[in-house]
Amino acid sequence: TQLLEQSPQFLSIQEGENLTVYCNSSSVFSSLQWYRQEPGEGPVLLVTVVTGGEVKKLKRLTFQFGDARKDSSLHITAAQPGDTGLYLCAGQGAGTALIFGKGTTLSVSS
Amino acid sequence: EAGVVQSPRYKIIEKKQPVAFWCNPISGHNTLYWYLQNLGQGPELLIRYENEEAVDDSQLPKDRFSAERLKGVDSTLKIQPAELGDSAVYLCASSLGGRYWGYNEQFFGPGTRLTVL
Repeated sequence: TQLLEQSPQFLSIQEGENLTVYCNSSSVFSSLQWYRQEPGEGPVLLVTVVTGGEVKKLKRLTFQFGDARKDSSLHITAAQPGDTGLYLCAGQGAGTALIFGKGTTLSVSS
Repeated sequence: EAGVVQSPRYKIIEKKQPVAFWCNPISGHNTLYWYLQNLGQGPELLIRYENEEAVDDSQLPKDRFSAERLKGVDSTLKIQPAELGDSAVYLCASSLGGRYWGYNEQFFGPGTRLTVL
């Protein structure tokens, strides 16, 4: 069974701080996606990484896919209150459905 | 363009009662998913449809859960009878289908929050 472990589970920081969220697995994924979910809404896709070692940037968010395609990280620079939400990583195996991690709940206070 | 529509948004029922959730996917999306999401957890797939065919229902508790997508568009997920442990958010998502379905972006609806008393 493929599992995705996310850490930390909860993160509470002040505006302007930097943070990193990790997503780890013992399995290889063909691609990995990061979602953000706000209360009362469904997850919204932020990025998809496909190639081992790939780095993608989305404004203040930097996503990295591990060389072996088993892990990924999300780094937020200078966090803002609008970044508050549940961050989910999801791995895609060959011909399989997405497997979601348990998520990281981020709270950014001003 | 309208996103994935789900109704109702909230449902409160007593245990042993039946309940049904409805989903209207994005127009043109052949693949439809139903997920269950417990509080503070990631979504877990219940069933995936390609058009009207359920191609992955291995995680659907078939003793009490059923789903249908008769015309390959809207879908209904039913629980009968509901148990206390079924309290969760039920998410519907859709994506373009086809050979590379797994690589297409999934668009999620807002979900139905079910509370079983």
